[in-house]
Amino acid sequence: EIVLTQSPATLSLSPGERATLSCRASQSVGSLLAWYQQRPGQAPRLLIHDASNRATGVPARFSGSGSGTDFTLTISSLEPEDFAVYYCQQRSNWPPYTFGQGTKLEIK
Amino acid sequence: QVQLVESGGGVVQPGRSLRLSCVASGFSFRTYGMHWVRQAPGKGLEWVAIVHYDGTKKYYADSVKGRFTISRDTSSNTLYLQMSDLRAEDTALYYCARDLYGNWFDSWGQGTLVTVSS
Repeated sequence: EIVLTQSPATLSLSPGERATLSCRASQSVGSLLAWYQQRPGQAPRLLIHDASNRATGVPARFSGSGSGTDFTLTISSLEPEDFAVYYCQQRSNWPPYTFGQGTKLEIK
Repeated sequence: QVQLVESGGGVVQPGRSLRLSCVASGFSFRTYGMHWVRQAPGKGLEWVAIVHYDGTKKYYADSVKGRFTISRDTSSNTLYLQMSDLRAEDTALYYCARDLYGNWFDSWGQGTLVTVSS
């Protein structure tokens, strides 16, 4: 089973700042990685799939990069609604589909 | 728009069974694979099971294999999760999610809470 490790566990930033979240896979997943956002009390929302493709309706301030074992989600300028928990997910070697443990993006 | 509405959760004793349902609307249910994903209180996401669009292929997480069964009814646009021999560690919010390209979860319901406790 591929293990995804996200860092940092918590990221404290202010609105308008740039956020960089990392996800590292225990073995190569190629480009088969996605990012999800989960706001408090809400279901997860798909942001990025195939490492760098924004899902329908996702604002352009969200971007994904990376391949192999190292991936990054970047939010170029934080809006108040962006403070949430973010998960990465792989499907390269499945089943199972696996998720990272999450990064909490909190307001500084 | 895509809508997924789960139901069937509740409090159940260890060893008992429960069936979850997810009614889909706003898209062609028969052409999409569907998943169950769960989230224990205060924890991260764990994939549970997938059923292919035509119901012919099903896969499970090791943690539920042999105890849970995923199924679908195209006539009623409903996804099911039959859970048996429930354990305390099955306590979670259970989401149904639509599959995108066989890889991703592109639409989610709001979840139904299952609590396994004596």
